[in-house]
Amino acid sequence: GAGVSQSPSNKVTEKGKDVELRCDPISGHTALYWYRQSLGQGLEFLIYFQGNSAPDKSGLPSDRFSAERTGGSVSTLTIQRTQQEDSAVYLCASSRNSGAANHEQFFGPGTRLTVL
Amino acid sequence: AQSVSQHNHHVILSEAASLELGCNYSYGGTVNLFWYVQYPGQHLQLLLKYFSGDPLVKGIKGFEAEFIKSKFSFNLRKPSVQWSDTAEYFCAVIGAAGNKLTFGGGTRVLVKP
Repeated sequence: GAGVSQSPSNKVTEKGKDVELRCDPISGHTALYWYRQSLGQGLEFLIYFQGNSAPDKSGLPSDRFSAERTGGSVSTLTIQRTQQEDSAVYLCASSRNSGAANHEQFFGPGTRLTVL
Repeated sequence: AQSVSQHNHHVILSEAASLELGCNYSYGGTVNLFWYVQYPGQHLQLLLKYFSGDPLVKGIKGFEAEFIKSKFSFNLRKPSVQWSDTAEYFCAVIGAAGNKLTFGGGTRVLVKP
């Protein structure tokens, strides 16, 4: 079956602009996660959704970052007033259930964001 | 707060050599442990996982890992590597009641043909 998909695959933007990153999880997966992979910081958790709710937003680095999920499926990560330090690969993952640590998280290919 | 440490940032070895990547974690409770691999140009894939039971777990492509609770370690091994094992390897931990993965810094492995 189809895996996790993300769009766009690459995004180049100017400092100060807003960007939206999209994630389509595996069908039927109720849990969705956003991570960020950057030089010097490695892979960091940002936020996770159970259905349309986000019980854990602890990894969002600032209030410029927000995310939503609709219909228990697609999620959008929005970064407002982008800064150069936001440049990274943003990864989305999904799993059959959350709060169940023994459920494998399947990762998408990521969106490479470059802020000029 | 949980943390994961991978000892080697870069490893270079020749085909048929044995590979061992170290991983130590810090967490005050029961954990589930994972090794993920990222081949060049591809997305993260699960190599193997440990939840409970036999501390020696076998994964795909001939990889195995051993959970040593007393050492808070989950080292990855492969007896004989191939050129196609060139990739970046990430150790990750999740608390048994948790939801988010905490990753180590990754180890880039280059296998020379």
